[in-house]
Amino acid sequence: DQQVKQNSPSLSVQEGRISILNCDYTNSMFDYFLWYKKYPAEGPTFLISISSIKDKNEDGRFTVFLNKSAKHLSLHIVPSQPGDSAVYFCAATRWSGSFYFGSGTKLNVKP
Amino acid sequence: DTAVSQTPKYLVTQMGNDKSIKCEQNLGHDTMYWYKQDSKKFLKIMFSYNNKELIINETVPNRFSPKSPDKAHLNLHINSLELGDSAVYFCASSQARTGDDYGYTFGSGTRLTVV
Repeated sequence: DQQVKQNSPSLSVQEGRISILNCDYTNSMFDYFLWYKKYPAEGPTFLISISSIKDKNEDGRFTVFLNKSAKHLSLHIVPSQPGDSAVYFCAATRWSGSFYFGSGTKLNVKP
Repeated sequence: DTAVSQTPKYLVTQMGNDKSIKCEQNLGHDTMYWYKQDSKKFLKIMFSYNNKELIINETVPNRFSPKSPDKAHLNLHINSLELGDSAVYFCASSQARTGDDYGYTFGSGTRLTVV
């Protein structure tokens, strides 16, 4: 069973606008969440993370929001740039536990 | 029905030992990868195999040796384990297409602790 889901396989956004990537999880024991970005033919790069004791974490243009009651997290990119076009994976884990990745959302930022 | 499965999930071992981590995918993907996650959560590619053939071999110590008996399996063998090898190791697979990696899928990680 998939414990972490990214239900949108793709997202298209105009440059300068906000990109919102969503991720849902089923295991309420997860206490740490991460986002990775992946360009074609390259390995994933770590973007941003959030602990379950917070509901928001911001790093430059990237903000991750966590809604524990809804078991939902989202990644906001503002403003979106063409260089942000990539596949974004969310992942969840609990302390010293296994990691569970979503299937990825392909973001296309149009100039 | 796990798509990419790694075993074991946890591995605690003493310095100097030799250990293996196994990875299997049932997605029919052509390409498999091994990554090491560092303390800052960055994923560093170690190896990549396409149809049992090594295509990426980043700078990793010779003590690390990948073995791909068939395209559904990519195992990682580590000789003479050192404290610095402690990390989470991820296996992944994809169906490589021109300019893209389709269906990129991660395993759930193997947490290696060397004591």
